[in-house]
Amino acid sequence: AQSVTQLGSHVSVSEGALVLLRCNYSSSVPPYLFWYVQYPNQGLQLLLKYTSAATLVKGINGFEAEFKKSETSFHLTKPSAHMSDAAEYFCAVSFLNNNDMRFGAGTRLTVKP
Amino acid sequence: DAGVTQSPTHLIKTRGQQVTLRCSPISGHKSVSWYQQVLGQGPQFIFQYYEKEERGRGNFPDRFSARQFPNYSSELNVNALLLGDSALYLCASSLDRPNYGYTFGSGTRLTVV
Repeated sequence: AQSVTQLGSHVSVSEGALVLLRCNYSSSVPPYLFWYVQYPNQGLQLLLKYTSAATLVKGINGFEAEFKKSETSFHLTKPSAHMSDAAEYFCAVSFLNNNDMRFGAGTRLTVKP
Repeated sequence: DAGVTQSPTHLIKTRGQQVTLRCSPISGHKSVSWYQQVLGQGPQFIFQYYEKEERGRGNFPDRFSARQFPNYSSELNVNALLLGDSALYLCASSLDRPNYGYTFGSGTRLTVV
């Protein structure tokens, strides 16, 4: 089945440390991959998306993700965590001519001072 | 430009009642999708509408219905509410299919008591 799996429901880092949130996808056709962030009591905000143009995708707020077909991964990274990065992060996948987007279960990022 | 607007932001209903949620997409976007997000989980696809036609439906019972109006706004209706319908309902606006990426509204928090 076409889906995404986020490894780790909770990730905790210190302020200034590297952020790494993991996402693996399952697909038999080329995927479109997305990372969204959700702050408490809000909707989802798009961080970045992969649409096959470039394997390294840069997004907002200093985040980036690399599409690795051989590993079926699309991990999200940020070199230096900020307190304001504390939120829930969702990886999602869609496909050409699909009518829906499939989300992972989410990873809650905590940033310690 | 206004973003995706959803109303109401919160509501409380009793089991067995009916509810209508509303969404206005970004200007120029012809597609509206609805998602249900239960606490602690990723969003689950309910419907996609494009140019007033239903294009896709997720694994939800017939108690859930929706429609899209000529101005591209949309309503989600849920009949015979169950306690398990308590969730954040998200509206997602897009140019066309989800592979273009979504812009989400802030959601409607529905509590069924």
